[in-house]
Amino acid sequence: EVQLVQSGAEVKKPGESLKISCKGSGYSFTNYWIGWVRQMPGKGLEWMGIIYPGDSDSRYSPSFQGQVTISADKSISTAYLQWSTLKASDTAMYYCARSLGGVVARFDYWGQGTLVTVSS
Amino acid sequence: QSVLTQPPSVSGAPGQRVTISCTGSSSNIGAGYDVHWYQQLPGTAPKVLIYENNNRPSGVPDRFSGSESGTSASLAITGLQAEDEADYYCQSYDTSLSGSVFGGGTKLTVL
Repeated sequence: EVQLVQSGAEVKKPGESLKISCKGSGYSFTNYWIGWVRQMPGKGLEWMGIIYPGDSDSRYSPSFQGQVTISADKSISTAYLQWSTLKASDTAMYYCARSLGGVVARFDYWGQGTLVTVSS
Repeated sequence: QSVLTQPPSVSGAPGQRVTISCTGSSSNIGAGYDVHWYQQLPGTAPKVLIYENNNRPSGVPDRFSGSESGTSASLAITGLQAEDEADYYCQSYDTSLSGSVFGGGTKLTVL
């Protein structure tokens, strides 16, 4: 069974750093892209970026380029989304999702989401 | 604002047919890039409903269908049921962004 299991909810202060994770199982982790999607409270889905764990090739939305870093450790089938300096506006639910074809393809499996709250 | 435009809300009575539009441009849908549709029930992760314009994953009822023409795509839901009340999103690739993009989302209310 394909599963993407994300790390738990986080509460952070502005200016702090954070790295959340997404562990894949039940499939060949290196053969599928992992994307990250933001959903701010009460708002729609936003495509942030995507990584191919096989060679760490990554692409970012212009809106998120330079604001976050997407990485992956194929040895433990885990993808990451990290911030070096959090802002209150980073408060959102973050989903990871799997894609066979990268930026043009659908996300066929999704993680359960990680809620990030940034507040002083 | 997203480069893919969806109506904020649609509604219909049980048993009726509703459509949700996704209007793009020559840099996304009009360039021939596939459109995918997702359903997000309250408090849950999105789920793919239609992929590559008009294909249904196994387990998705045939009440859901997708179409595409020119710079727009549509999701149609027939035989509306209370359980269809959810948010719906389209997704496609955009050449000007060099990445994928979601539509703004449409809230479906079953009256």
